[in-house]
Amino acid sequence: QKEVEQDPGPLSVPEGAIVSLNCTYSNSAFQYFMWYRQYSRKGPELLMYTYSSGNKEDGRFTAQVDKSSKYISLFIRDSQPSDSATYLCAMGGGATNKLIFGTGTLLAVQP
Amino acid sequence: DSGVTQTPKHLITATGQRVTLRCSPRSGDLSVYWYQQSLDQGLQFLIQYYNGEERAKGNILERFSAQQFPDLHSELNLSSLELGDSALYFCASSGLGQGTNTQYFGPGTRLTVL
Repeated sequence: QKEVEQDPGPLSVPEGAIVSLNCTYSNSAFQYFMWYRQYSRKGPELLMYTYSSGNKEDGRFTAQVDKSSKYISLFIRDSQPSDSATYLCAMGGGATNKLIFGTGTLLAVQP
Repeated sequence: DSGVTQTPKHLITATGQRVTLRCSPRSGDLSVYWYQQSLDQGLQFLIQYYNGEERAKGNILERFSAQQFPDLHSELNLSSLELGDSALYFCASSGLGQGTNTQYFGPGTRLTVL
């Protein structure tokens, strides 16, 4: 079993839709959780960072962490064609700052 | 722009050859991480250096090695290259200690082994 599981998609939605992206994990030691956005053949770009459980909102993006269920989500409201990218969840904990990445979900927002 | 730079952007070489990838972290960041991303494997952690010393190892092959220099730039050396080593190689950097564990990625080096 992988430490982090993420549905690879692809996920195709119309412009303006609410998008829900999810990851599950098995390691209860994970303390911090991130979402990265990666456009084709570019470096991953940090979108959201959350420490421990709870919600965090930044503009159209909301990150949720449920440590009891070992489940994290990223919601995108009013999705735009420019949101079309691969979204990677990442999580970690401990002294090394080592991150474990999900395999990424490919999102396409259709105009 | 994340502030992390990587050179070269593209590299085409033959099997059996050796290449060196270079990374400069964000100003002030002491940690450097190397990742390999291929189509079927996703983003795989290779190795981390912190202030010149190896801190953590991931799925790094024995044919691969890395180092971090006193000016904090890092190099990833790939030798005896195989077709399967063709991938995007990313470098990331982060700050010091807890609470600064966010990693910022460079634009990557695309390696093609023919």
